[in-house]
Amino acid sequence: KQEVTQIPAALSVPEGENLVLNCSFTDSAIYNLQWFRQDPGKGLTSLLLIQSSQREQTSGRLNASLDKSSGRSTLYIAASQPGDSATYLCAEENAGNNRKLIWGLGTSLAVNP
Amino acid sequence: DGGITQSPKYLFRKEGQNVTLSCEQNLNHDAMYWYRQDPGQGLRLIYYSQIVNDFQKGDIAEGYSVSREKKESFPLTVTSAQKNPTAFYLCASSTVGANVLTFGAGSRLTVL
Repeated sequence: KQEVTQIPAALSVPEGENLVLNCSFTDSAIYNLQWFRQDPGKGLTSLLLIQSSQREQTSGRLNASLDKSSGRSTLYIAASQPGDSATYLCAEENAGNNRKLIWGLGTSLAVNP
Repeated sequence: DGGITQSPKYLFRKEGQNVTLSCEQNLNHDAMYWYRQDPGQGLRLIYYSQIVNDFQKGDIAEGYSVSREKKESFPLTVTSAQKNPTAFYLCASSTVGANVLTFGAGSRLTVL
């Protein structure tokens, strides 16, 4: 059974810190991996998508990396701000799976002023 | 602005009643999805549709039904056969062949 694990489940940091969120997956035939942000009681917003042929993607203060050999992805947030407080979810799509994503449980991030 | 609209945002239902959650998109996306989100569990796919008048079951379709009569609409009916319907329901869409999902704001269903 394919699984996606996110560690830590919760993280609290002071404003301004650089931080790393981790996502590990068991699927050896990954097609892509996506990072999403979810604010409390709201829908998800796509942050970054990394194709299996890529090693990283960047958007503003966010950088996501993908290491297929180790089954890991990281989301790096630079100079964190209170507005970054949210739950961050990763999801991987299998190369042979018809548009089905395997989701992690998320990391709940609190950035304190 | 283009996006996905889910309604209602909050819904209360008595046991034994069917309820329908609305999902409308104006993004001209071909594919639409319904997910369920519960505390301590990852998102689980209920149904998805890649073209009008066609849809497939996801991982937890039992007790749910959908229709796709129009490209922009993908309503979800939670039937009385769903044993534990209290949850947060998320609708999403994408272009077929693309990977990035656009989500609605969600609908929270509570069974009294």
